Amino acid sequence: SAVISQKPSRDICQRGTSLTIQCQVDSQVTMMFWYRQQPGQSLTLIATANQGSEATYESGFVIDKFPISRPNLTFSTLTVSNMSPEDSSIYLCSVGQGANTGELFFGEGSRLTVL
Amino acid sequence: GQNIDQPTEMTATEGAIVQINCTYQTSGFNGLFWYQQHAGEAPTFLSYNVLDGLEEKGRFSSFLSRSKGYSYLLLKELQMKDSASYLCAVYNFNKFYFGSGTKLNVKP
Repeated sequence: SAVISQKPSRDICQRGTSLTIQCQVDSQVTMMFWYRQQPGQSLTLIATANQGSEATYESGFVIDKFPISRPNLTFSTLTVSNMSPEDSSIYLCSVGQGANTGELFFGEGSRLTVL
Repeated sequence: GQNIDQPTEMTATEGAIVQINCTYQTSGFNGLFWYQQHAGEAPTFLSYNVLDGLEEKGRFSSFLSRSKGYSYLLLKELQMKDSASYLCAVYNFNKFYFGSGTKLNVKP
């Protein structure tokens, strides 16, 4: 299994500002993803963080709004830019080694509230 | 596109058996995974199926029919601690897409 440290765990932000969330894994992992979970809802995939190259974004998510870095196989950041109240959500980092190992591991999430 | 459907909420009695269904229509398929998520916590892995049939893991079993785009999670001998949301996820082209989640309420 992988141990994932995600920070901040929660924050209250002002409209128009940006916040960067960090995800640190205790081992090298193949796959790294960022999800959003809005209150009472399931997980929506934002993007796949690719080591050494630009992230791959899902429909409805763009790099200007959610820039992602992944400089190595154990670390990634997600920035939520120019925040609005609609961005209030839990953002989750998750990692996996591929379908053969079966599972995704999740960080504890970063709960953002935008005022 | 990815379309993964689950019932929104279910209620069952402690000690009983409950089946949570998941149907999917996706552009590809490499596996079907089930996760449990307690309120305020991150999801944790329960089970997965790559081939058709039943996978049993203690009190939890998961079934897959790829031709029907259908899976279910079976929970036996329900306990109060099983009250949680259950998420099915399709693994497809190195990505995991989650269904809407089913909130299970276990009552005494």
